[in-house]
Amino acid sequence: NAGVTQTPKFRVLKTGQSMTLLCAQDMNHEYMYWYRQDPGMGLRLIHYSVGEGTTAKGEVPDGYNVSRLKKQNFLLGLESAAPSQTSVYFCASSLGGSSYNEQFFGPGTRLTVL
Amino acid sequence: KQEVTQIPAALSVPEGENLVLNCSFTDSAIYNLQWFRQDPGKGLTSLLLIQSSQREQTSGRLNASLDKSSGRSTLYIAASQPGDSATYLCAVPRYSGAGSYQLTFGKGTKLSVIP
Repeated sequence: NAGVTQTPKFRVLKTGQSMTLLCAQDMNHEYMYWYRQDPGMGLRLIHYSVGEGTTAKGEVPDGYNVSRLKKQNFLLGLESAAPSQTSVYFCASSLGGSSYNEQFFGPGTRLTVL
Repeated sequence: KQEVTQIPAALSVPEGENLVLNCSFTDSAIYNLQWFRQDPGKGLTSLLLIQSSQREQTSGRLNASLDKSSGRSTLYIAASQPGDSATYLCAVPRYSGAGSYQLTFGKGTKLSVIP
């Protein structure tokens, strides 16, 4: 049982390049989330999904797109990377959407945009 | 808008000392509060989730308390060890639509336990 895994662990992009971050969970969780963590800003929600085939915007969605084609996977895409997207990205999942459901986090992807 | 504050931002203590980390929130209408640990370059590990109906939650040397009326939670670590060195984050959920709750995080307290 690997929990929540993220690919890749590190990536360096040039401004304007695109990339996709992959999140996978093997806990059969319905809900999945993408956060970014920046110094002095804490963790902020980018997008989330309440089930296969659904996505919704979080607090800071601009410049990102997401897809949830399979229940176990949640993809985060950057179509045209900008230096402001340099950050550490965390994926999380939870069994349900109730406020009582604990969120489990992946190890993170460190992205640098030059 | 819910705001979560953790003071101090950093704390250094000698090994063996008992310590308290603080978390405050502006909207007392919370469902629960979650404490996480984050090691350098790593993800978040959930330590304790304390429901709004509870006043305390314990796991090993960790004890979390919650006082909704005053908007505060504390994480008590007994007999600290160098392995406890990490950043500790607290978070509260708020409704974000579509039947989902997003976590609002504090910025964390970086704890260093000196051998």
